[in-house]
Amino acid sequence: GDSVTQMEGPVTLSEEAFLTINCTYTATGYPSLFWYVQYPGEGLQLLLKATKADDKGSNKGFEATYRKETTSFHLEKGSVQVSDSAVYFCARGNQAGTALIFGKGTTLSVSS
Amino acid sequence: GAVVSQHPSWVICKSGTSVKIECRSLDFQATTMFWYRQFPKQSLMLMATSNEGSKATYEQGVEKDKFLINHASLTLSTLTVTSAHPEDSSFYICSASHENTEAFFGQGTRLTVV
Repeated sequence: GDSVTQMEGPVTLSEEAFLTINCTYTATGYPSLFWYVQYPGEGLQLLLKATKADDKGSNKGFEATYRKETTSFHLEKGSVQVSDSAVYFCARGNQAGTALIFGKGTTLSVSS
Repeated sequence: GAVVSQHPSWVICKSGTSVKIECRSLDFQATTMFWYRQFPKQSLMLMATSNEGSKATYEQGVEKDKFLINHASLTLSTLTVTSAHPEDSSFYICSASHENTEAFFGQGTRLTVV
Protein backbone atom coordinates (compact mmCIF):
# COMPACT_ATOMS: atom_id res chain seq x y z
CA GLY A 1 0.00 0.00 0.00
CA ASP A 2 0.95 3.65 -0.04
CA SER A 3 3.67 4.47 2.46
CA VAL A 4 6.35 6.90 3.52
CA THR A 5 9.84 5.81 4.50
CA GLN A 6 12.26 8.13 6.22
CA MET A 7 15.72 7.57 7.57
CA GLU A 8 16.03 6.13 11.04
CA GLY A 9 17.38 8.33 13.75
CA PRO A 10 18.53 9.67 15.97
CA VAL A 11 20.59 12.14 14.01
CA THR A 12 23.16 13.95 16.13
CA LEU A 13 24.90 17.02 14.72
CA SER A 14 27.01 19.91 15.90
CA GLU A 15 25.73 23.44 15.48
CA GLU A 16 26.22 24.82 11.95
CA ALA A 17 26.51 21.35 10.41
CA PHE A 18 24.65 20.41 7.22
CA LEU A 19 21.49 18.37 7.66
CA THR A 20 19.85 15.87 5.35
CA ILE A 21 16.94 13.65 6.35
CA ASN A 22 15.94 11.29 3.59
CA CYS A 23 12.32 10.57 2.74
CA THR A 24 10.85 8.42 -0.01
CA TYR A 25 7.25 7.58 -0.73
CA THR A 26 5.15 5.14 -2.66
CA ALA A 27 1.96 6.38 -4.22
CA THR A 28 -0.47 6.17 -7.04
CA GLY A 29 -0.35 9.49 -8.78
CA TYR A 30 1.30 12.60 -7.40
CA PRO A 31 0.30 13.30 -3.83
CA SER A 32 1.15 16.43 -1.91
CA LEU A 33 4.23 16.02 0.27
CA PHE A 34 4.92 17.53 3.66
CA TRP A 35 7.49 17.85 6.40
CA TYR A 36 6.19 18.32 9.94
CA VAL A 37 8.23 19.14 13.03
CA GLN A 38 7.44 18.32 16.64
CA TYR A 39 9.35 20.25 19.27
CA PRO A 40 9.54 18.76 22.77
CA GLY A 41 6.20 18.99 24.53
CA GLU A 42 4.40 20.50 21.55
CA GLY A 43 2.10 19.31 18.78
CA LEU A 44 3.03 18.70 15.17
CA GLN A 45 3.66 21.83 13.12
CA LEU A 46 3.80 22.07 9.37
CA LEU A 47 7.37 22.94 8.37
CA LEU A 48 7.04 22.97 4.59
CA LYS A 49 5.17 21.35 1.76
CA ALA A 50 5.16 20.79 -2.00
CA THR A 51 2.10 20.04 -4.05
CA LYS A 52 3.53 19.02 -7.42
CA ALA A 53 6.63 17.59 -9.02
CA ASP A 54 9.75 19.80 -8.96
CA ASP A 55 8.21 22.14 -6.41
CA LYS A 56 10.57 23.22 -3.65
CA GLY A 57 9.13 23.86 -0.23
CA SER A 58 11.15 26.05 2.13
CA ASN A 59 10.81 27.53 5.60
CA LYS A 60 13.15 28.61 8.42
CA GLY A 61 16.20 27.65 6.33
CA PHE A 62 14.87 24.15 5.63
CA GLU A 63 14.04 23.06 2.14
CA ALA A 64 12.87 19.98 0.27
CA THR A 65 12.26 19.32 -3.41
CA TYR A 66 9.52 17.08 -4.77
CA ARG A 67 11.35 14.57 -7.00
CA LYS A 68 8.95 12.32 -8.88
CA GLU A 69 11.76 10.47 -10.66
CA THR A 70 13.15 9.20 -7.38
CA THR A 71 9.86 9.48 -5.42
CA SER A 72 11.76 11.45 -2.80
CA PHE A 73 11.31 14.55 -0.68
CA HIS A 74 14.55 14.87 1.29
CA LEU A 75 14.77 17.57 3.95
CA GLU A 76 17.91 19.72 4.01
CA LYS A 77 19.30 22.63 5.96
CA GLY A 78 22.66 24.21 5.37
CA SER A 79 23.47 25.16 8.97
CA VAL A 80 21.51 23.69 11.86
CA GLN A 81 21.01 25.38 15.22
CA VAL A 82 20.46 23.95 18.68
CA SER A 83 16.86 25.19 18.45
CA ASP A 84 16.29 22.83 15.50
CA SER A 85 16.43 19.86 17.85
CA ALA A 86 13.08 18.10 17.38
CA VAL A 87 11.39 15.15 15.72
CA TYR A 88 10.81 15.53 11.98
CA PHE A 89 8.05 13.69 10.14
CA CYS A 90 7.75 13.26 6.41
CA ALA A 91 4.18 12.81 5.17
CA ARG A 92 2.13 12.54 2.02
CA GLY A 93 -1.51 13.12 1.28
CA ASN A 94 -3.75 10.10 0.99
CA GLN A 95 -5.70 9.28 -2.16
CA ALA A 96 -8.61 11.43 -1.06
CA GLY A 97 -6.19 14.28 -0.61
CA THR A 98 -7.27 14.95 2.93
CA ALA A 99 -5.61 12.84 5.61
CA LEU A 100 -1.90 12.26 5.85
CA ILE A 101 0.29 9.18 5.77
CA PHE A 102 3.34 9.66 7.94
CA GLY A 103 6.83 8.28 8.14
CA LYS A 104 8.12 7.05 11.51
CA GLY A 105 9.83 10.30 12.37
CA THR A 106 13.49 11.18 12.74
CA THR A 107 14.84 12.66 15.94
CA LEU A 108 17.40 15.41 15.41
CA SER A 109 19.67 16.48 18.24
CA VAL A 110 21.94 19.49 17.71
CA SER A 111 24.63 20.34 20.22
CA SER A 112 26.56 23.57 20.62
CA GLY B 1 -1.27 29.22 12.54
CA ALA B 2 -4.60 28.03 13.87
CA VAL B 3 -4.81 26.37 17.26
CA VAL B 4 -6.09 22.89 18.00
CA SER B 5 -6.37 21.90 21.63
CA GLN B 6 -6.52 18.33 22.83
CA HIS B 7 -7.61 17.31 26.30
CA PRO B 8 -6.46 15.64 28.40
CA SER B 9 -2.76 15.58 27.55
CA TRP B 10 -2.38 12.35 29.47
CA VAL B 11 -4.72 9.92 31.19
CA ILE B 12 -4.41 6.70 33.14
CA CYS B 13 -7.43 4.45 33.38
CA LYS B 14 -8.29 1.00 34.63
CA SER B 15 -8.82 -1.87 32.26
CA GLY B 16 -12.48 -2.17 31.27
CA THR B 17 -13.35 1.49 31.68
CA SER B 18 -13.98 4.04 28.94
CA VAL B 19 -11.98 7.18 28.26
CA LYS B 20 -13.00 10.25 26.29
CA ILE B 21 -10.49 12.49 24.52
CA GLU B 22 -11.53 15.91 23.24
CA CYS B 23 -10.19 17.79 20.25
CA ARG B 24 -11.14 21.44 19.83
CA SER B 25 -10.38 23.95 17.12
CA LEU B 26 -10.06 27.21 19.01
CA ASP B 27 -10.07 29.83 16.29
CA PHE B 28 -11.49 28.24 13.18
CA GLN B 29 -14.31 25.97 12.09
CA ALA B 30 -13.08 22.43 11.53
CA THR B 31 -15.20 20.82 8.86
CA THR B 32 -13.00 17.73 9.03
CA MET B 33 -11.14 16.20 11.93
CA PHE B 34 -8.72 13.30 11.86
CA TRP B 35 -7.70 10.92 14.62
CA TYR B 36 -4.29 9.26 14.63
CA ARG B 37 -2.59 6.76 16.86
CA GLN B 38 1.14 6.55 17.43
CA PHE B 39 3.00 3.63 18.96
CA PRO B 40 6.52 4.15 20.34
CA LYS B 41 9.06 4.62 17.56
CA GLN B 42 6.33 4.18 14.96
CA SER B 43 4.64 6.56 12.59
CA LEU B 44 1.26 8.15 13.14
CA MET B 45 -1.43 5.82 11.86
CA LEU B 46 -4.71 7.32 10.69
CA MET B 47 -7.62 5.80 12.60
CA ALA B 48 -10.59 7.71 11.26
CA THR B 49 -11.80 10.80 9.49
CA SER B 50 -14.85 12.66 10.68
CA ASN B 51 -16.85 15.37 9.00
CA GLU B 52 -19.07 17.59 11.08
CA GLY B 53 -22.55 16.15 11.39
CA SER B 54 -21.67 12.87 9.69
CA LYS B 55 -20.58 9.44 10.81
CA ALA B 56 -16.84 8.94 10.95
CA THR B 57 -15.04 6.96 8.27
CA TYR B 58 -12.76 4.39 9.85
CA GLU B 59 -9.57 3.01 8.37
CA GLN B 60 -9.29 -0.69 7.76
CA GLY B 61 -8.55 -2.62 10.92
CA VAL B 62 -9.87 0.04 13.30
CA GLU B 63 -12.81 -1.15 15.39
CA LYS B 64 -15.53 1.46 15.17
CA ASP B 65 -17.39 0.04 18.17
CA LYS B 66 -14.28 0.35 20.30
CA PHE B 67 -13.16 3.78 19.15
CA LEU B 68 -16.27 5.94 19.10
CA ILE B 69 -15.88 9.24 17.30
CA ASN B 70 -18.31 12.12 17.54
CA HIS B 71 -18.04 15.35 15.58
CA ALA B 72 -21.21 17.12 16.60
CA SER B 73 -20.00 20.68 16.12
CA LEU B 74 -17.56 22.59 13.94
CA THR B 75 -15.18 23.07 16.84
CA LEU B 76 -15.28 19.80 18.74
CA SER B 77 -14.63 16.16 18.04
CA THR B 78 -14.37 13.44 20.66
CA LEU B 79 -12.74 10.02 20.63
CA THR B 80 -14.02 7.56 23.22
CA VAL B 81 -12.01 4.42 23.85
CA THR B 82 -14.57 1.95 25.18
CA SER B 83 -13.74 -0.94 27.48
CA ALA B 84 -10.08 -0.01 27.33
CA HIS B 85 -7.40 -2.67 27.64
CA PRO B 86 -3.63 -2.39 28.09
CA GLU B 87 -3.08 -2.90 24.35
CA ASP B 88 -5.01 0.33 23.76
CA SER B 89 -2.28 2.25 25.56
CA SER B 90 -0.85 4.64 23.00
CA PHE B 91 -0.44 8.25 21.96
CA TYR B 92 -3.57 9.62 20.28
CA ILE B 93 -3.36 12.75 18.12
CA CYS B 94 -6.09 14.72 16.43
CA SER B 95 -5.88 17.20 13.59
CA ALA B 96 -8.45 19.60 12.24
CA SER B 97 -8.96 21.13 8.83
CA HIS B 98 -11.32 23.69 7.34
CA GLU B 99 -12.62 22.81 3.90
CA ASN B 100 -9.67 20.49 3.16
CA THR B 101 -7.07 23.20 3.64
CA GLU B 102 -4.03 22.74 5.88
CA ALA B 103 -4.61 20.44 8.85
CA PHE B 104 -3.52 21.65 12.30
CA PHE B 105 -2.54 19.21 15.00
CA GLY B 106 -3.32 18.94 18.68
CA GLN B 107 -0.60 18.21 21.21
CA GLY B 108 -1.68 14.61 21.59
CA THR B 109 -3.01 12.51 24.48
CA ARG B 110 -0.97 9.80 26.18
CA LEU B 111 -3.34 7.00 27.25
CA THR B 112 -2.14 4.36 29.67
CA VAL B 113 -4.46 1.51 30.56
CA VAL B 114 -3.54 -0.41 33.70
